[in-house]
Amino acid sequence: GESVGLHLPTLSVQEGDNSIINCAYSNSASDYFIWYKQESGKGPQFIIDIRSNMDKRQGQRVTVLLNKTVKHLSLQIAATQPGDSAVYFCAENAGGTSYGKLTFGQGTILTVHP
Amino acid sequence: ETGVTQSPTHLIKTRGQQVTLRCSSQSGHNTVSWYQQALGQGPQFIFQYYREEENGRGNFPPRFSGLQFPNYSSELNVNALELDDSALYLCASSMAGGSNQPQHFGDGTRLSIL
Repeated sequence: GESVGLHLPTLSVQEGDNSIINCAYSNSASDYFIWYKQESGKGPQFIIDIRSNMDKRQGQRVTVLLNKTVKHLSLQIAATQPGDSAVYFCAENAGGTSYGKLTFGQGTILTVHP
Repeated sequence: ETGVTQSPTHLIKTRGQQVTLRCSSQSGHNTVSWYQQALGQGPQFIFQYYREEENGRGNFPPRFSGLQFPNYSSELNVNALELDDSALYLCASSMAGGSNQPQHFGDGTRLSIL
């Protein structure tokens, strides 16, 4: 069935370090992926997305890598700051009859120490 | 640009009651999706509305229903509330009814069932 999972539930880094958050997905039909950041008491905030015809996409301080061969997605955050501390979710969309349905993973808690 | 807004922010109900949650989509967005997020988990897709019709549904019983209005705002209705319905209910809006469009979330309604 469809599922999106994360290898590491928690990640602690020092301010200024680079962070890498990983995500595995199981639905080979998925063709669109999004990373969200969720702070306590808030809804998920869009970070970056990538379509299946791409391997890499860069934003401001963030990079998403997609490896369709092994069905793996990662989010890299450069020069991590205390304000980056939050829960990070990857989400997939399988397209077709799935329309706008996003399937989320359980999330990774990122803690940035000053 | 106005983001996604949800009301109320918090709600307490008892088992068997009915509840209506409301969502105003981000300006320029015509598609609304609803998600349920249990504590410590990722959001689960309930359904999506596009052009005032249900455009896809997740694994939720019929007592979860919705509406979309001509101004693209939406309601989520839950009948015969159960204890397990206690969760954060998130609304997300996007452009167009298909997949491969980023969904932008509101901060949710925290529903507690006693």
